Amino acid sequence: DVKVTQSSRYLVKRTGEKVFLECVQDMDHENMFWYRQDPGLGLRLIYFSYDVKMKEKGDIPEGYSVSREKKERFSLILESASTNQTSMYLCASTSGLSSGNTIYFGEGSWLTVV
Amino acid sequence: AQRVTQPEKLLSVFKGAPVELKCNYSYSGSPELFWYVQYSRQRLQLLLRHISRESIKGFTADLNKGETSFHLKKPFAQEEDSAMYYCALGAGFQKLVFGTGTRLLVSP
Repeated sequence: DVKVTQSSRYLVKRTGEKVFLECVQDMDHENMFWYRQDPGLGLRLIYFSYDVKMKEKGDIPEGYSVSREKKERFSLILESASTNQTSMYLCASTSGLSSGNTIYFGEGSWLTVV
Repeated sequence: AQRVTQPEKLLSVFKGAPVELKCNYSYSGSPELFWYVQYSRQRLQLLLRHISRESIKGFTADLNKGETSFHLKKPFAQEEDSAMYYCALGAGFQKLVFGTGTRLLVSP
């Protein structure tokens, strides 16, 4: 059974803090993604990675960076957290580029910036 | 640009009634369409994809390229169908573009 694990389920951080959100998958997937989920806005892609040390900007990368040093781990970094980054963050992974491959999601990390 | 539109934020029906969750897309290439579902306190999971042409939990969705639609349908709604439903468009590198979601509430 594929597992995508987000280590922090609930975080409260102060404005200006540096925040790390960690995601690990156990199925040797090449592709990993970070989305944020907001009511009325759906899921918006922040960054994705299709290989170790490779990253691509998604639709809303401003204020975020990512790190993929190992295949199984994809980290989202908020360099200086702001209140408008309060959101649910979802990590996802999938293998290969075939349309037959399913994307698997983590349980999400609720981040509140105060 | 790729875009997915789900016009209804909330759809409320009674148990046993038919359900149709609307999804329209905009994409210049050959589309890959999916429906994802998120039940309360659970992770987002794939419900169905258009290439499989399958029925999952009684739900079906047909890709209509002429109308650029991929509406999700179920003839008789059940209370356990209450959830958040997202339509998604595959746009290269397995990147998914999501709609804004429709919350389905099925009342007894």
